[in-house]
Amino acid sequence: NAGVTQTPKFRVLKTGQSMTLLCAQDMNHEYMYWYRQDPGMGLRLIHYSVGEGTTAKGEVPDGYNVSRLKKQNFLLGLESAAPSQTSVYFCASSYGLAGGGNEQFFGPGTRLTVL
Amino acid sequence: QQQVKQSPQSLIVQKGGISIINCAYENTAFDYFPWYQQFPGKGPALLIAIRPDVSEKKEGRFTISFNKSAKQFSLHIMDSQPGDSATYFCAASMKGTYKYIFGTGTRLKVLA
Repeated sequence: NAGVTQTPKFRVLKTGQSMTLLCAQDMNHEYMYWYRQDPGMGLRLIHYSVGEGTTAKGEVPDGYNVSRLKKQNFLLGLESAAPSQTSVYFCASSYGLAGGGNEQFFGPGTRLTVL
Repeated sequence: QQQVKQSPQSLIVQKGGISIINCAYENTAFDYFPWYQQFPGKGPALLIAIRPDVSEKKEGRFTISFNKSAKQFSLHIMDSQPGDSATYFCAASMKGTYKYIFGTGTRLKVLA
């Protein structure tokens, strides 16, 4: 099993450009998450999904959109990138709710730089 | 009230020493407290977790101590090794919720 995979691993964008980050999991998990990690700020939830075809906003959703057309995939889109979106992006998945003590499995991350 | 406050931000420990990372929370509805370990260039991975009905949980060299009345919990790494050098995140969640509240992380460096 590959677990959670993310593509691409690195990307440099110019301000105003758009891009899509792809997350895939092969564990048949219902729940999927997108986080951003910034120095001194920990992991902040951008968007999440509780199942195929559903998405919801997390703590810092502005400037991002997501889609979950297939259970195993969760896409994060930046329509018009800004320097403030320079960050490391992590995708995660879990079998059940965090509140139920379900482990979140993280991908290896995508390092995005917006110039 | 949704925050989990983590300290210190960074920690340097000699090989064989004890590493201690602390977290504090306000929301008494939190009922699950995991610690995640992240090596450079990798995603976080679950290390150990505890529920508030116990005061301590030990797995090998890693121990969580939980103080419900003080609303604090800590990670102790005994006999710290250079391979333990990583960033550690505490987190909390409450029943029925979809997400974890993560601390800001502690970067641990264990000197050989």
